Amino acid sequence: AQKVTQAQTEISVVEKEDVTLDCVYETRDTTYYLFWYKQPPSGELVFLIRRNSFDEQNEISGRYSWNFQKSTSSFNFTITASQVVDSAVYFCALSDSNSGYALNFGKGTSLLVTP
Amino acid sequence: DVKVTQSSRYLVKRTGEKVFLECVQDMDHENMFWYRQDPGLGLRLIYFSYDVKMKEKGDIPEGYSVSREKKERFSLILESASTNQTSMYLCASKTRGRQETQYFGPGTRLLVL
Repeated sequence: AQKVTQAQTEISVVEKEDVTLDCVYETRDTTYYLFWYKQPPSGELVFLIRRNSFDEQNEISGRYSWNFQKSTSSFNFTITASQVVDSAVYFCALSDSNSGYALNFGKGTSLLVTP
Repeated sequence: DVKVTQSSRYLVKRTGEKVFLECVQDMDHENMFWYRQDPGLGLRLIYFSYDVKMKEKGDIPEGYSVSREKKERFSLILESASTNQTSMYLCASKTRGRQETQYFGPGTRLLVL
């Protein structure tokens, strides 16, 4: 069963638009961890953020922000004023007792930002 | 900075060949992982190792084996490569603890002809 769902397969926006990437997760644990990674065309996965289940504070880092809502099991990622360099595949991932040492990844959202 | 390196960025092999993919990390991490990434399927866990000489099967271990003789090195072995193993292979490592972040290597694009 899919534990992390990224419903948006592909998103295309024009530069300077805001864009939100959705992530919905499923777990029975009370303690769990959520992650976002970016995969640019070069292929390497770059870590963006980690959030534990006890910390529902939203986080902002420059043009990036994350909205964690336990009530809806969502951990959405917003890019403000998108830029061409934001074009990449973005993955949401979950770590809980069922995943053991590993991460359970969503299938990714491919974001294309055009000039 | 965490550094995870993979022996090759691109690899072309023939069906039936034995293929070794090497991964090395320099941060003394206990846990190491091999994933494969295919379009529309995301990342799927092949094998992982939580310590030296330890290995555990992931979601899709068939056709693969692994070796972890030293803490910094985790090898993925395709015993007899097949065309359906053409894929992007990603190695990752992290220190102990579920909350810890996995750090990834640059990936190896393997083409099996």
